[in-house]
Amino acid sequence: AQTVTQSQPEMSVQEAETVTLSCTYDTSESDYYLFWYKQPPSRQMILVIRQEAYKQQNATENRFSVNFQKAAKSFSLKISDSQLGDAAMYFCAYRRNRDDKIIFGKGTRLHILP
Amino acid sequence: DAGVIQSPRHEVTEMGQEVTLRCKPISGHNSLFWYRQTMMRGLELLIYFNNNVPIDDSGMPEDRFSAKMPNASFSTLKIQPSEPRDSAVYFCASSLGRTGNSYNEQFFGPGTRLTVL
Repeated sequence: AQTVTQSQPEMSVQEAETVTLSCTYDTSESDYYLFWYKQPPSRQMILVIRQEAYKQQNATENRFSVNFQKAAKSFSLKISDSQLGDAAMYFCAYRRNRDDKIIFGKGTRLHILP
Repeated sequence: DAGVIQSPRHEVTEMGQEVTLRCKPISGHNSLFWYRQTMMRGLELLIYFNNNVPIDDSGMPEDRFSAKMPNASFSTLKIQPSEPRDSAVYFCASSLGRTGNSYNEQFFGPGTRLTVL
């Protein structure tokens, strides 16, 4: 069975600094997708970034980038120049290509210190 | 598009009462998902539909929970009878499914916060 593990329940970072959130997953599949979702206090789930497993190049979206290590089954999220609006729960998620089901990690709560 | 619409946003009920949560997916999406979020268990998939047909209901906790999708624009999640341990935020999400883009990105509704006293 596929699992997604986020080992950091909470993290804090100074505004304007860089922070990295960790995620590991377990799967026997070779074709899958990985995602990072953000859930601010409004509780709306927002897709931040996504990565296709077959792509070696790490995905980047403005200040957000990932470090995808397929062999290690690791998918970390780096947030550069942290802003107060980045404070939220961040969920790492996995979906294998042959179905629609997404498996979420337990989340990491990120605090931004002014 | 208005996005995924859920109602009500908040629901407070007493143990033993029937609760019905509603969801309207994004127009054109053919996959719909119901999730439950709690502090202890995180975000769990309860059930999902593709073209109005339930595909995987293995996450439905017990017979007290049921979900229906009578048409492409409406789904319900019903709990009968409700119990205090059902208190959680329930999310509905929709996607283009297997016929859509390769990411099949799920778009989430705002959630319904359910409190069972």
